[in-house]
Amino acid sequence: NAGVTQTPKFQVLKTGQSMTLQCAQDMNHNSMYWYRQDPGMGLRLIYYSASEGTTDKGEVPNGYNVSRLNKREFSLRLESAAPSQTSVYFCASSDGFNQPQHFGDGTRLSIL
Amino acid sequence: GQQVMQIPQYQHVQEGEDFTTYCNSSTTLSNIQWYKQRPGGHPVFLIQLVKSGEVKKQKRLTFQFGEAKKNSSLHITATQTTDVGTYFCAGPSGDSWGKLQFGAGTQVVVTP
Repeated sequence: NAGVTQTPKFQVLKTGQSMTLQCAQDMNHNSMYWYRQDPGMGLRLIYYSASEGTTDKGEVPNGYNVSRLNKREFSLRLESAAPSQTSVYFCASSDGFNQPQHFGDGTRLSIL
Repeated sequence: GQQVMQIPQYQHVQEGEDFTTYCNSSTTLSNIQWYKQRPGGHPVFLIQLVKSGEVKKQKRLTFQFGEAKKNSSLHITATQTTDVGTYFCAGPSGDSWGKLQFGAGTQVVVTP
């Protein structure tokens, strides 16, 4: 039982490049989330998907897009990477409203 | 909008000592969750408090939800080096389904 799996674990991009962060969960959870974590700022929600087929903006959605491919998978895309998007990105899932969230190991992304 | 604030931001503790970290919300919360993140790791769910005045214990960790459901605390007794990490509290954002508002965290450093 892997839980929440994120790929890649590390990535270095040049400004303007695009990439997609992948996330998959095997807990049959309805809801999935993407966060970014910067020093001293805790976890900030980028986008979330309450259930398969729906996505909504979180606190800091600018510069990102998401796709809920199916119940298991939720991807995050950076169309034109900027240095301000250097961060650690975490994907999480939960069984529903007010339920505990389970996090992946994170993707450490550096944009030069 | 709702804000979740944690104090202190940093906590240096001598091994064997007790300490408390606090979480305060600008609005009443239906529940509050606590997570722990080890250095280089991902957040891991610890506990959820739902009832006003609720107190829950996990070994040396004691969690409390305030009577007004606007604040919470985590007290660690006889701190050990395994307690090193950042502790986050999180509450429902209140403005939309399922979103959690995380505090900035309390980073705990333990001196042997």
